[in-house]
Amino acid sequence: QQQVKQSPQSLIVQKGGISIINCAYENTAFDYFPWYQQFPGKGPALLIAIRPDVSEKKEGRFTISFNKSAKQFSLHIMDSQPGDSATYFCAASDFGNEKLTFGTGTRLTIIP
Amino acid sequence: NAGVTQTPKFRILKIGQSMTLQCTQDMNHNYMYWYRQDPGMGLKLIYYSVGAGITDKGEVPNGYNVSRSTTEDFPLRLELAAPSQTSVYFCASSYVSGQGTEAFFGQGTRLTVV
Repeated sequence: QQQVKQSPQSLIVQKGGISIINCAYENTAFDYFPWYQQFPGKGPALLIAIRPDVSEKKEGRFTISFNKSAKQFSLHIMDSQPGDSATYFCAASDFGNEKLTFGTGTRLTIIP
Repeated sequence: NAGVTQTPKFRILKIGQSMTLQCTQDMNHNYMYWYRQDPGMGLKLIYYSVGAGITDKGEVPNGYNVSRSTTEDFPLRLELAAPSQTSVYFCASSYVSGQGTEAFFGQGTRLTVV
């Protein structure tokens, strides 16, 4: 059962544009929503995360938007740069269960 | 400050051979995980462990075995390797911060079964 659905599977954005990746979850017990970034040949690493008591969290050019009623959250990358080209995974967990549930990943390519 | 260390980085196996992928972490994390990532695909959980002596199956456990005798080590055993096990394998550990679970991944082991 896919508890976290991620889209799109791949995304091509021009340099300077906005990259948007979406995730939807089913388990209402989830209360922590991180995004992981994976460069080729490397393991994923935590990029930014949000808890459901806020609707938005921004760190530099990266922003998470969270819609609790719709059970959706998204990653926005402003002024996208070629160095942002990577695979992005959304994830979710609940405080009573440490195990993270990952989305299927989005391969982002930023073109000049 | 090693974090999560996986060995080997690359391996070619023949069909029917067995091998153990090693994983060790130095962060004293209780939770550890094994994932596989097929080309262009997401992470699929093979096995995980909530502490020494305790393991549980993930989404795709068939063909694999694990053990957790210490907090630091979580080896993954492949018995009778098959071409379908060609993949990149990631070991991870996690802890719960003030916000939530943070996972730390190793660099991966690229396995080819021929």
